[in-house]
Amino acid sequence: GEDVEQSLFLSVREGDSSVINCTYTDSSSTYLYWYKQEPGAGLQLLTYIFSNMDMKQDQRLTVLLNKKDKHLSLRIADTQTGDSAIYFCAESSSTDSWGKFQFGAGTQVVVTP
Amino acid sequence: GAVVSQHPSWVICKSGTSVKIECRSLDFQATTMFWYRQFPKQSLMLMATSNEGSKATYEQGVEKDKFLINHASLTLSTLTVTSAHPEDSSFYICSARELAGRYEQYFGPGTRLTVT
Repeated sequence: GEDVEQSLFLSVREGDSSVINCTYTDSSSTYLYWYKQEPGAGLQLLTYIFSNMDMKQDQRLTVLLNKKDKHLSLRIADTQTGDSAIYFCAESSSTDSWGKFQFGAGTQVVVTP
Repeated sequence: GAVVSQHPSWVICKSGTSVKIECRSLDFQATTMFWYRQFPKQSLMLMATSNEGSKATYEQGVEKDKFLINHASLTLSTLTVTSAHPEDSSFYICSARELAGRYEQYFGPGTRLTVT
């Protein structure tokens, strides 16, 4: 079945760039997402990218997609302490009429002063 | 825009009782809502998909008679945990998809259920 994998932990210094990586297996993936979850809260949609794009930039966030390698990354520039959270990548496919997501396990990002 | 609320945000109940959790899309109409369960430090596990006016579709291994889902309108879905047991204690999160053809899911803040 479909699988989405992420590294589990990332430690980064305040002001540095963070890069969170994600790989997926479903070649029919159409949309790929990054969500942020803070403790005890729901998921906040950060950004998404269509599979026919290879890059998307939104303020401090840059998403890179290598469709050939099925690799997705999220770069956070000038990382702040408020960026400490769990980041989930998710994918959905146009072949699923309900748009069900496959989530990765989440990457815990810890920002140190 | 695209705000999803859940109520209650946390609930404690005794074993054997039933608990209802509401999920509302506040500023858009949700043709499809999803219910997830999340264990500590783990990812989200999809429990069921509900479409307005029709029966929910449950994922394999999820007991439909235990987790009753009703998607009564385009802005409200409810999850009722029946005859709750301590192993049902978890963080339940709903999400809503705005319109057919748009794939973004907007998530509620979650409901922490503790069964004693």
